[in-house]
Amino acid sequence: QQQVKQSPQSLIVQKGGISIINCAYENTAFDYFPWYQQFPGKGPALLIAIRPDVSEKKEGRFTISFNKSAKQFSLHIMDSQPGDSATYFCAAALNSGNTPLVFGKGTRLSVIA
Amino acid sequence: GAVVSQHPSRVICKSGTSVKIECRSLDFQATTMFWYRQFPKQSLMLMATSNEGSKATYEQGVEKDKFLINHASLTLSTLTVTSAHPEDSSFYICSAKQQDPGGANVLTFGAGSRLTVL
Repeated sequence: QQQVKQSPQSLIVQKGGISIINCAYENTAFDYFPWYQQFPGKGPALLIAIRPDVSEKKEGRFTISFNKSAKQFSLHIMDSQPGDSATYFCAAALNSGNTPLVFGKGTRLSVIA
Repeated sequence: GAVVSQHPSRVICKSGTSVKIECRSLDFQATTMFWYRQFPKQSLMLMATSNEGSKATYEQGVEKDKFLINHASLTLSTLTVTSAHPEDSSFYICSAKQQDPGGANVLTFGAGSRLTVL
């Protein structure tokens, strides 16, 4: 049973464009939704995270949009750059992240010049 | 920011030998660490939750006698792959939990350890 569904599996975006990655979750008790960025051969790095009490959070070029009623959240990367090319994982957890993260399957983003 | 150091980053061993991977939280104390396994181009699969001073909690299907976890201090957890076989070849990643100023538990990941069993 996959508790967090992520799409698309891969994404190609032109430099300067907007990258959008979507995730849907099933467990309404989840209350912590982070996004991780992973480069090949490296561990994931926390990019941005949101709690369900807000609908949007922005940090620099990265924005999380959260729709509690639809049980969906998405990552938007504005002005995408080749250096953003990586695999992105959404995740969810219970109890403010006190339980292990449940990860989506990941999205391979390629930003081309 | 929080740093988690994982060592070794790469290890090659012969089939039947044991390999130990260390995970250290460098600038914070972590009562809980998690160990993940990642196959190429796939997501992270939680193997076990490591709790300082107590036994690790293993996920279903993970052999606790195969993957020994020791969390002897607040800054160190180790994963030992015993009697390794080629199918154990994988990317192993640890993470340590700490609270952010808002009270949420944030996970910081190590850089991972690539294990190749010949």
